[in-house]
Amino acid sequence: DIQMTQSPSSLSVSVGDRVIITCRASQSISRYLNWYQQKPGKAPKVLIYASSTLQSGVPSRFSGSGSGTDFTLTISSLQPEDFATYYCQQSYSTLPTFGGGTKVEIK
Amino acid sequence: EVQLVETGGGLIQPGGSLRLSCAPSGFTVSGNYMNWVRQAPGKGLEWVSGLYSGGRTYYADSVKGRFTISRDISKNTLYLQLNSVRAEDTAVYYCARGRDEAAYSFFDYWGQGTLVIVSS
Repeated sequence: DIQMTQSPSSLSVSVGDRVIITCRASQSISRYLNWYQQKPGKAPKVLIYASSTLQSGVPSRFSGSGSGTDFTLTISSLQPEDFATYYCQQSYSTLPTFGGGTKVEIK
Repeated sequence: EVQLVETGGGLIQPGGSLRLSCAPSGFTVSGNYMNWVRQAPGKGLEWVSGLYSGGRTYYADSVKGRFTISRDISKNTLYLQLNSVRAEDTAVYYCARGRDEAAYSFFDYWGQGTLVIVSS
């Protein structure tokens, strides 16, 4: 199975900050990398697919980049509604796998 | 409006069986790549199983041989049969639709989840 490693596991930030979350795959996955946002008690919501394509309706302050094994999710200016946990997920394999998550908390 | 509703969760003893259901509205289970994803309390997301529109099924190693994914086209319902459950199967189980955009797959619609607790 392809292992996905996210870092950091948590971070404390302020509204307006730039946030960068990284995700590393245990083998090359080309651009088959998705990002999700999950708020407490809610189902995950897809933000970005194919490494850098913004899902319809997602604010442009979210962006993704990377290919091969190393990927990043960037939030250009964190808004109050962005405090949540973020997960990467590879869709290269027929057995999808998620990263461990990054919890973005209020400083 | 697209919606997925999971039912069937509950308290079950170790070694027991349970069947989860997922009933979507706005699309058919037969025409889509359907999945189960779970989340143990306070933990991350774990993909459990997938069923392609053509009928092929896949399972995570952690549930292979114990869980079975299936669908009833006449009822437009997705199922997950859980057998020989263990304490580590305790989780919220989400039903999610897989979508392909230019060959890139992602989960675009999710249900609200159903909680399974394995305990004696």
